[in-house]
Parts: sequence; structure tokens; C-alpha cells
Amino acid sequence: KAGVTQTPRYLIKTRGQQVTLSCSPISGHRSVSWYQQTPGQGLQFLFEYFSETQRNKGNFPGRFSGRQFSNSRSEMNVSTLELGDSALYLCASSLGQGYNEQFFGPGTRLTVL
Amino acid sequence: AQTVTQSQPEMSVQEAETVTLSCTYDTSESDYYLFWYKQPPSRQMILVIRQEAYKQQNATENRFSVNFQKAAKSFSLKISDSQLGDAAMYFCAYTSNDYKLSFGAGTTVTVRA
Repeated sequence: KAGVTQTPRYLIKTRGQQVTLSCSPISGHRSVSWYQQTPGQGLQFLFEYFSETQRNKGNFPGRFSGRQFSNSRSEMNVSTLELGDSALYLCASSLGQGYNEQFFGPGTRLTVL
Repeated sequence: AQTVTQSQPEMSVQEAETVTLSCTYDTSESDYYLFWYKQPPSRQMILVIRQEAYKQQNATENRFSVNFQKAAKSFSLKISDSQLGDAAMYFCAYTSNDYKLSFGAGTTVTVRA
């Protein structure tokens, strides 16, 4: 079974631009979560989607948004990029019902110049 | 809000020896799950071990075991017979019925040959 895939793996943007990251979950998984990892703040939860509905959202500004499609693939968008948005963005998928193990993708490394 | 604390930024262990990583958490929930994740230099997050709060028996996975003290809100990870491949950053994580993982700051484990 293929793992969680994230595209692109690396991205360089400039301040003020916007970016869209993509995540394809493991086949059969209906929940997708997004996390931001930085040296200063560590791993922080962004949001979680299940069957196209956002069930939980972390404490991030409205510039960070996401969505999930009917095939469970998910995208997150960051608008008006700031230098502090430079991070590793990790996506995780799970079955979504009850307590299930989250399987992580390799991440997208975003650099904002 | 739940908080997860890892008080050891770095730990070093001799190959074949044992190392214990500490983790404490704060929660008012009675039903929750605790995890240890490993993140090697590749940045791929890998689940090492999982503990359900309602289970009194400590979880074990091969050379990895936990000491779960629910009353003390403590969840330590013991790595026995350490191998070079165990070198990574280890994160303690918590989840209750809110579809998100809360992570500690991480502990970097170095294995000396």
C-alpha cells in the first residue's frame, strides 16, 4: 500500500506570494491532518479534515486555509506569505474514526525569501 | 489546552546500551492516547509506540517500551540495546477526542559506536 505523498517536496517563494501544498492520503484513509514544523515553535497542528469537513483547527491566522476533496486528497493554502512561514509542512492521514494511528508524509519544505 | 513537555533536549547513548526519554503531559481528559514518534534526518515521522490511557499495561514494541504513569501524567520511552539506526529526534505526542496531535519539543538521541 502506498504511503502518504506530498507535493511538492521543496518550494521557494517570496514574501507576499501565496502557495498551495498537496497531500494524498493512504488509500482508504478519510482523515487528513496538517502540521507545521519549525525550529522555534516545534510541531504545531494546523487543521484536520474528514470527509471534506474540517473537524478541528489550530491557532493559526486566516492566511492558512485548507480543503479536502471527495477522494480524500487535501490541499493547504497560505496566502500573503511571511518570512516566518518558512517551515516543514507535514501531512498525516488516518482512517479517521475513533483513535487511529496517523501516518505521516515526507513533508514539504517551504522557504520564504 | 493539553501540553506535552519533554525536558531533555538531547540524550546520548552507547551502542547496545539503554536510554530513557522523559515526557510529561497535562490534561483534564480521562480518555486519551499517547505516542512516541521518531523523526530521523530524512524528516519522515515514524510511529514508534502507542499507549491507550485506559490500559494499565505498558506498551512494548521490540526494543522499545514505555513506562506509563497515569496519575503522575508521565510517559517515558525506554530504548534497549540501542542501535545506530535509532539516532533521531523523538517526539512524545498526545491526543484525545479532538482529532489532533499535540507534540512535545522533542529529544535528539545520538548513538555512539
